[in-house]
Amino acid sequence: GAGVSQSPSNKVTEKGKDVELRCDPISGHTALYWYRQSLGQGLEFLIYFQGNSAPDKSGLPSDRFSAERTGGSVSTLTIQRTQQEDSAVYLCASSLGLAGVTDTQYFGPGTRLTVL
Amino acid sequence: GESVGLHLPTLSVQEGDNSIINCAYSNSASDYFIWYKQESGKGPQFIIDIRSNMDKRQGQRVTVLLNKTVKHLSLQIAATQPGDSAVYFCAENKSASKIIFGSGTRLSIRP
Repeated sequence: GAGVSQSPSNKVTEKGKDVELRCDPISGHTALYWYRQSLGQGLEFLIYFQGNSAPDKSGLPSDRFSAERTGGSVSTLTIQRTQQEDSAVYLCASSLGLAGVTDTQYFGPGTRLTVL
Repeated sequence: GESVGLHLPTLSVQEGDNSIINCAYSNSASDYFIWYKQESGKGPQFIIDIRSNMDKRQGQRVTVLLNKTVKHLSLQIAATQPGDSAVYFCAENKSASKIIFGSGTRLSIRP
């Protein structure tokens, strides 16, 4: 079946511009996550959506970062006034959102963002 | 602080040999631990997980061992194949939203 998809796969932008990254989770998954992965590094948690609950934004590095999830499905991560240090691969994951049991996260291929 | 770290950043293994990737964690208040495999240009792929009330779990060619006494996690890959070349991450899941990833170990296979 279809997995998590992300678009664009690559994005090159100029410093100071805004960018929007899109994530389409697996159908039926209520939980959605955004992570950032810098070159050669592990994954840094950014934000988590679960159903209609308020998102956990504790990982967002600054107020230039925001995310929305419309209709409990597609999510958009927006970075305003991009900086060179924002260059990274942005990964989206989704899961069934089951509580009390292991809830495997399935990752998309990521969007590679380069800020010039 | 909280951290999940790895003993070695790179590991080179002869094809057909067993691979052992190690991971140390510092926070014992977690639900379970997960191993992910990430191939170049792709997102992480779930391999196997283990609950904190277990010390061993086996999958297909992979075994995860958890030693809570020394806060150590390992991933064993039997009969390593070229397709196993990737970066392997251990991760600690304390809640639905909090997965802490280690920095990863790159596994390379010698023919």
